[in-house]
Amino acid sequence: EAQVTQNPRYLITVTGKKLTVTCSQNMNHEYMSWYRQDPGLGLRQIYYSMNVEVTDKGDVPEGYKVSRKEKRNFPLILESPSPNQTSLYFCASSPLGALAGGRSTDTQYFGPGTRLTVL
Amino acid sequence: AQSVTQLDSQVPVFEEAPVELRCNYSSSVSVYLFWYVQYPNQGLQLLLKYLSGSTLVKGINGFEAEFNKSQTSFHLRKPSVHISDTAEYFCAVAPGGAGSYQLTFGKGTKLSVIP
Repeated sequence: EAQVTQNPRYLITVTGKKLTVTCSQNMNHEYMSWYRQDPGLGLRQIYYSMNVEVTDKGDVPEGYKVSRKEKRNFPLILESPSPNQTSLYFCASSPLGALAGGRSTDTQYFGPGTRLTVL
Repeated sequence: AQSVTQLDSQVPVFEEAPVELRCNYSSSVSVYLFWYVQYPNQGLQLLLKYLSGSTLVKGINGFEAEFNKSQTSFHLRKPSVHISDTAEYFCAVAPGGAGSYQLTFGKGTKLSVIP
């Protein structure tokens, strides 16, 4: 079954304690990305990756790091979390063509979300 | 820089009535445009996208959107809504052409279908 998995699904932590949210896909997609969703602000892209070792900033990259050492995994790292990073986080993957050219049937697959609370 | 404005934060509509969710974008380059849907307490799903070609794009669940370059708009429409269409809808823009896959979203429109 095609899927994007995220772990953990829920996390409560304290300011300054480094954490990693994992994202994994089983569809051999080139493109992976992270978003955060906040009430009244909608979705905002944090980072994206077009392939292994190729990453770029989205609209709100401050306070986050990512790496893409393997095609299937795209972890989100918060080196020193702060309360303003309390949010719902989504990971997504797709063929590159889903966002530019490609087949009309190419689509993005989203993970179930990670609800993070930073105290 | 690119941006998206969804003109209505909430849209109530009666079942079987038509609906239009409005989206305007701003970009200094050509664009690709997307609509996503998020059902209550669920994840996100791509509804439809405009990459090139026909300006009228058909998506899943009977939705369609029209790209209007002169108006810089990409409004989402459905001729007859169902209760199951109750959800939050997000419009998004990406730079056209190869090289950048940065997606910028609007703040969302909550569609409430009234029985």
